[in-house]
Amino acid sequence: QVQVVESGGGVVQPGGSLRLSCAGSGFTFSSYSMHWVRQAPGKGLEWVAAISGDGGDKFYGDSVKGRFTISRDNSRNTLYLQMNSLSPEDASVYYCARALTVGPGKPLGYWGLGTLVTVSS
Amino acid sequence: EIVLTQSPGTLSLSPGERATLSCRASQTVSSTHLAWYQQKPGRAPRLLIYGESSRATGIPDRFSGSGSGTDFTLTISRLEPEDFAVYYCQQYNTLPEWTFGQGTKVEIK
Repeated sequence: QVQVVESGGGVVQPGGSLRLSCAGSGFTFSSYSMHWVRQAPGKGLEWVAAISGDGGDKFYGDSVKGRFTISRDNSRNTLYLQMNSLSPEDASVYYCARALTVGPGKPLGYWGLGTLVTVSS
Repeated sequence: EIVLTQSPGTLSLSPGERATLSCRASQTVSSTHLAWYQQKPGRAPRLLIYGESSRATGIPDRFSGSGSGTDFTLTISRLEPEDFAVYYCQQYNTLPEWTFGQGTKVEIK
């Protein structure tokens, strides 16, 4: 069955960097756009970034543009989120999500359990 | 950026009652690009409704979506105990800015 599993969360100091990973299985990874969505403690959902199946198109939310980089390695069925210049406002559970179906403009049909990022000195 | 405003913030209802959740967009959203998600405490969100009013796999038919333009509604016809959760609308009309509403909590009265 379709599974996406995040890893790489942890505690990082303000101004620091962290790289999240998301391993996909049970589907043809390269066929689907993938997304990162985050949720600060006690808050709502915030879309962070997306990448097309072939990795050629990347999109970012305004709050992370210029600091975060989304990428993928289709040979490893893995999605990444490189996060630089982290601030306490970036502290959240980060979810990896797969588009429901192939093609652009699809809702998020499959979600991982999330990985927690804490930004604190 | 399209802003989605959900109301009410909290809905207090009893099992068996009908729940009506609203999602209003700051500009026109294609109804084919509006989705609803359910989230329970400590869990990942789950896709409920997408497109015009399609239910995701395994979603019971007591959940339905409707609306167009800037006003959308999620209806739960008869609340079951497992339906008490937070619900988010999302527009996926245009990249690069996908947006979520702030959520409506459906709690047991």
